[in-house]
Amino acid sequence: DIQMTQSPSSLSASVGDRVTITCRASQDINNYVAWFQQKPGKAPKSLIYAASSLQSGVPSKFSGSGSGTDFTLTISSLQPEDFATYFCQQYKSYPLTFGGGTKVEIK
Amino acid sequence: QVQLVESGGGVVQPGRSLRLSCAASGFTFSSYGMHWVRQAPGKGLEWVAAVSYDGSNKYYVDSVKGRFTISRDNSKNTLHLQMNSLRAEDTAVYHCTKEDYDGSGSYTGHWGQGTPVSVSS
Repeated sequence: DIQMTQSPSSLSASVGDRVTITCRASQDINNYVAWFQQKPGKAPKSLIYAASSLQSGVPSKFSGSGSGTDFTLTISSLQPEDFATYFCQQYKSYPLTFGGGTKVEIK
Repeated sequence: QVQLVESGGGVVQPGRSLRLSCAASGFTFSSYGMHWVRQAPGKGLEWVAAVSYDGSNKYYVDSVKGRFTISRDNSKNTLHLQMNSLRAEDTAVYHCTKEDYDGSGSYTGHWGQGTPVSVSS
């Protein structure tokens, strides 16, 4: 199985900050990575697919990059509605696997 | 728009069974693969099972193989997860998800709110 190691597990940031979250795959997965945002009590929402493609309707402050084993999600200017937990997912092969999540909290 | 509404969750004793359902609307259900993903209380996401658009191919995480069965009824736009021999570690919110295709691979692009399953004596 492909392991996805996500870091940090949590971070504190201020409104307006630039935030970067990282996922590392245990083997080469090309660009088969998606990123999700989850707010408490809500279903995860897709933000990015194919490592860097923005899901329709998602604001451009979210961006993704990477290929092979190392991937990043960046929020260019954190807003109050962005405080949530973020997950990466690899879909190169079954079983699909997720990173452990990054909880973004208000500083 | 895509809507996925899960049902069938509840409290069940270890060793018993439960059948989850997911009613899909807003897209051509018979054209898309579907998945179940679960989230244990306070934990991360765990992919559970997937079924191809026509039901001919099914995939499972090792921990549920032989106990869970994913199926679909394309005439009723419904996805199911039959869960047998339930264990305490199966306690989670179970989300139904629709595949989206990125041109070369498929990911879980749309999610339902989930239905909670609690396995406890």
